[in-house]
Amino acid sequence: DVKVTQSSRYLVKRTGEKVFLECVQDMDHENMFWYRQDPGLGLRLIYFSYDVKMKEKGDIPEGYSVSREKKERFSLILESASTNQTSMYLCASSKPGQSHFNQPQHFGDGTRLSIL
Amino acid sequence: GQNIDQPTEMTATEGAIVQINCTYQTSGFNGLFWYQQHAGEAPTFLSYNVLDGLEEKGRFSSFLSRSKGYSYLLLKELQMKDSASYLCAVLDSNYQLIWGAGTKLIIKP
Repeated sequence: DVKVTQSSRYLVKRTGEKVFLECVQDMDHENMFWYRQDPGLGLRLIYFSYDVKMKEKGDIPEGYSVSREKKERFSLILESASTNQTSMYLCASSKPGQSHFNQPQHFGDGTRLSIL
Repeated sequence: GQNIDQPTEMTATEGAIVQINCTYQTSGFNGLFWYQQHAGEAPTFLSYNVLDGLEEKGRFSSFLSRSKGYSYLLLKELQMKDSASYLCAVLDSNYQLIWGAGTKLIIKP
């Protein structure tokens, strides 16, 4: 069965800390994505990657960076955590298609991050 | 701007039928996705519509009208396990994915 695994379900960090969220997929997918999910809003894309070492900014990249050193792993980094980054973070992967987004995405269970 | 509208919450009875609507105003259209997300879990893919009409997959069907900017997800013979949020997402003319806020469906016995 296909699987996207996020390293932590719950995480509590302090303002100003550097935070790493890890995501691993076992489907050999080219595309990987990081979203945040907040109440009353649709999923918002932070960054995505379509190949190893390749990355593209999404709709809300400010305050975040990403790393994709291996095909199966996509990391999200909060350079200096702030309280407005408290959220649910979802990682996803997909096969390549006509575009980066026209294939179904497979999601991890999410990391609920609280910044105090 | 680009916008996707879904009802925030709906309630239905076990065994009944429910229709969850999604209307969109986007710069062009290249497809529409429906995902199901149980509380605390990952969204899972349900359907992808590109052409007008109804597509059926077991108890779930998805309908699209591109001229009206409208889609719905139809769930038949509702079961308690169908209690979840249902997310609509539209692929615009630039192949960017625009997500709705989701509809929380509550099933009552």
